[in-house]
Amino acid sequence: ILNVEQSPQSLHVQEGDSTNFTCSFPSSNFYALHWYRWETAKSPEALFVMTLNGDEKKKGRISATLNTKEGYSYLYIKGSQPEDSATYLCASHSNSGYALNFGKGTSLLVTP
Amino acid sequence: ETGVTQSPTHLIKTRGQQVTLRCSSQSGHNTVSWYQQALGQGPQFIFQYYREEENGRGNFPPRFSGLQFPNYSSELNVNALELDDSALYLCASSLEVGSGAHGYTFGSGTRLTVV
Repeated sequence: ILNVEQSPQSLHVQEGDSTNFTCSFPSSNFYALHWYRWETAKSPEALFVMTLNGDEKKKGRISATLNTKEGYSYLYIKGSQPEDSATYLCASHSNSGYALNFGKGTSLLVTP
Repeated sequence: ETGVTQSPTHLIKTRGQQVTLRCSSQSGHNTVSWYQQALGQGPQFIFQYYREEENGRGNFPPRFSGLQFPNYSSELNVNALELDDSALYLCASSLEVGSGAHGYTFGSGTRLTVV
């Protein structure tokens, strides 16, 4: 994998559903994996930064896991609420540069 | 604690013109990065500034240039605007240069339209 890829591109769930997204990234020269939540007309907000293989992080109903050996991360939302509607971006950071390499994001819509 | 502020929020320019976008970093952050998000794409790294010096650059031509000031605020300048420069430009500040070990604080962006 040369680029960061996210799936699905978009997702529409009902309030109360649990959901998950996938982020695939280059495993070579890996340093860190970032997840951001981005609501329309607002700033991307940092959710998690993970660096170690097997890392699991949680913030309220949202959690994330990291597998650096195979180059993927999952983001889980338990019991989705309408306020979870946003674009979720993941980005990898290598140990040989200064850039965050972003995927195209997963757009989540949660309806009541 | 203030966040990252970008100005202007929206801008329309004519092809061939020059534009300056501004960014005030979060208090205490000494590193500023700029990203371009074209329609349907993820943000693409333009460059990063640390202590007033360009610290790293993405795949953007020299007509994209920047400055960082002693108070860590920053400018992105684009000369000879092209239609493909139409995008959302995001500024992000961080505590630590290069490492990526901390989450970045982003502004809400400047929407540039080139006609």
